[in-house]
Amino acid sequence: AQSVTQPDIHITVSEGASLELRCNYSYGATPYLFWYVQSPGQGLQLLLKYFSGDTLVQGIKGFEAEFKRSQSSFNLRKPSVHWSDAAEYFCAVGAQIDDYKLSFGAGTTVTVRA
Amino acid sequence: KAGVTQTPRYLIKTRGQQVTLSCSPISGHRSVSWYQQTPGQGLQFLFEYFSETQRNKGNFPGRFSGRQFSNSRSEMNVSTLELGDSALYLCASSESTTSGGADEQFFGPGTRLTVL
Repeated sequence: AQSVTQPDIHITVSEGASLELRCNYSYGATPYLFWYVQSPGQGLQLLLKYFSGDTLVQGIKGFEAEFKRSQSSFNLRKPSVHWSDAAEYFCAVGAQIDDYKLSFGAGTTVTVRA
Repeated sequence: KAGVTQTPRYLIKTRGQQVTLSCSPISGHRSVSWYQQTPGQGLQFLFEYFSETQRNKGNFPGRFSGRQFSNSRSEMNVSTLELGDSALYLCASSESTTSGGADEQFFGPGTRLTVL
């Protein structure tokens, strides 16, 4: 069965420090990969997406993600975190085998300390 | 362009009642998807509508239904509400003709449903 795993439920990081959020997927073929962010009381906002091509993807708000086929991973990174990055982050996957329905990971909550 | 709007933002119902939630997609977007978000189950896909037709469906009971109108606005209905239906219901729209997940989906702020 297809699945998306975000191993870290909660991460605390100091402002200005780097951030890496992990995402692993289990799909029969290369899926379409997304990272979304959700602030409290808000909907989801797309940070970046990977369909094909360059495996290092740049997104909004200074985020980037790297697709590693051999590890079935799509980890999200930011070199220097700002207090406004405190939010919940979701990795999502869609694949043709599933008619491109989005499957979401459980989410990682990021807390930023001053 | 205006973003995805959902009404109402908050709703309180009692068990056994039914509820209708509304979603207005971004102008020009023809695909509307619905998701349920709960602390225990996370984000789960409910269904997707495209050109007034249900194109994809998740694993939810028949109490959950939806429809889409000719102007792409969508409604979802939950009948015979249960306590476990308490959740944030998110609507997302996309513009492409391919089925939802392959295209960027723009999410609304959600409707918070509480079932007492």
